[in-house]
Amino acid sequence: GQNIDQPTEMTATEGAIVQINCTYQTSGFNGLFWYQQHAGEAPTFLSYNVLDGLEEKGRFSSFLSRSKGYSYLLLKELQMKDSASYLCAAPSYGGATNKLIFGTGTLLAVQP
Amino acid sequence: GAGVSQSPSNKVTEKGKDVELRCDPISGHTALYWYRQRLGQGLEFLIYFQGNSAPDKSGLPSDRFSAERTGESVSTLTIQRTQQEDSAVYLCASRALGYNEQFFGPGTRLTVL
Repeated sequence: GQNIDQPTEMTATEGAIVQINCTYQTSGFNGLFWYQQHAGEAPTFLSYNVLDGLEEKGRFSSFLSRSKGYSYLLLKELQMKDSASYLCAAPSYGGATNKLIFGTGTLLAVQP
Repeated sequence: GAGVSQSPSNKVTEKGKDVELRCDPISGHTALYWYRQRLGQGLEFLIYFQGNSAPDKSGLPSDRFSAERTGESVSTLTIQRTQQEDSAVYLCASRALGYNEQFFGPGTRLTVL
């Protein structure tokens, strides 16, 4: 089976750095996604990691350790608009569907 | 259009009624997915289309749920005899062949009274 775990809520201060962790147990591995979802809106793609290590995209970075079944999303120089849910997801392994298995999402509140 | 669109954006219905939810994927995307997001929960996979065929329907919660896709484009998710536990946001996503990223629509918020 597959399971994705992430904290349900986090709070951080504008201008600070926050790290959102995600652990996964999958029968195989086919990469890990992070999506951002503002309330009432569609999830939008942030990152996709297949290899170990850190990938940086502007203020957002994503890290993967396949041996530990662990990923994190790092948000720097937080802005109020970063208040959103951050969804960790893994494609289902085997077959060609690539359906995504999601965690519950982490609701990040950025405070002034 | 530039992105995935869904209609209606909101639907309120009475228990026992049938509803149809529509998804227009990104043009040329052969893969299409339906997910459900209940309040306070993660997205749950419902069904996957490759072209007009649905090789994976494993997430449909009961036989009251069905979906079809035509012209390798528009998809309709139908829920018959709706129940209160069907209340959720129904999200559609599409993906281009050979790529991993799924692009999501804004969802349809279904409320069953």
